Amino acid sequence: KQEVTQIPAALSVPEGENLVLNCSFTDSAIYNLQWFRQDPGKGLTSLLLIQSSQREQTSGRLNASLDKSSGRSTLYIAASQPGDSATYLCAVRSGGTYKYIFGTGTRLKVLA
Amino acid sequence: NAGVTQTPKFRVLKTGQSMTLLCAQDMNHEYMYWYRQDPGMGLRLIHYSVGEGTTAKGEVPDGYNVSRLKKQNFLLGLESAAPSQTSVYFCASRRSTGTGAHEQYFGPGTRLTVT
Repeated sequence: KQEVTQIPAALSVPEGENLVLNCSFTDSAIYNLQWFRQDPGKGLTSLLLIQSSQREQTSGRLNASLDKSSGRSTLYIAASQPGDSATYLCAVRSGGTYKYIFGTGTRLKVLA
Repeated sequence: NAGVTQTPKFRVLKTGQSMTLLCAQDMNHEYMYWYRQDPGMGLRLIHYSVGEGTTAKGEVPDGYNVSRLKKQNFLLGLESAAPSQTSVYFCASRRSTGTGAHEQYFGPGTRLTVT
């Protein structure tokens, strides 16, 4: 059974810092992995999606990498800003299924 | 283009009451999902649908029923609400093929309290 873990659960950093969020999964036979952002009281917004055949995806200041063999994905945020404060979730779709398994998220606070 | 919409946004039910949550998408997506989000537990899949007229169980289906009579709508029903069903419910949809097929789009959520 696929399990997805995100550590740390919460993180506070000063503005301008580069930071890395982690997502670990137990079954390496994944189809794809998606990173989301969730603002308080809001729905989820897709940030990046990495297919199993890809090693990384980039969008603006965000870069997501995938290492299936180690069961790990990282989301790199460059030059963090207070507007980046939110909860970041990763979701894994295992091969042969339509289902996505979510991590519990990392709550990020960027201090001005 | 409204994307994924959910109604209602908030609801308070008494134990034993029933209700239906509506999810609508205007992107012609084949796949639709219902999740619940609880503190410390992340999002868990309740039911999903891979096309009009089809539904399937997710991780936590007990106490819920769903229907997908029209491609654009996915309904989640609670026949006899229980306090354990107090949660925030999210609907999501995605395409089955083509560019961006695997990317999920989420609605704004429905906050349900069962007293």
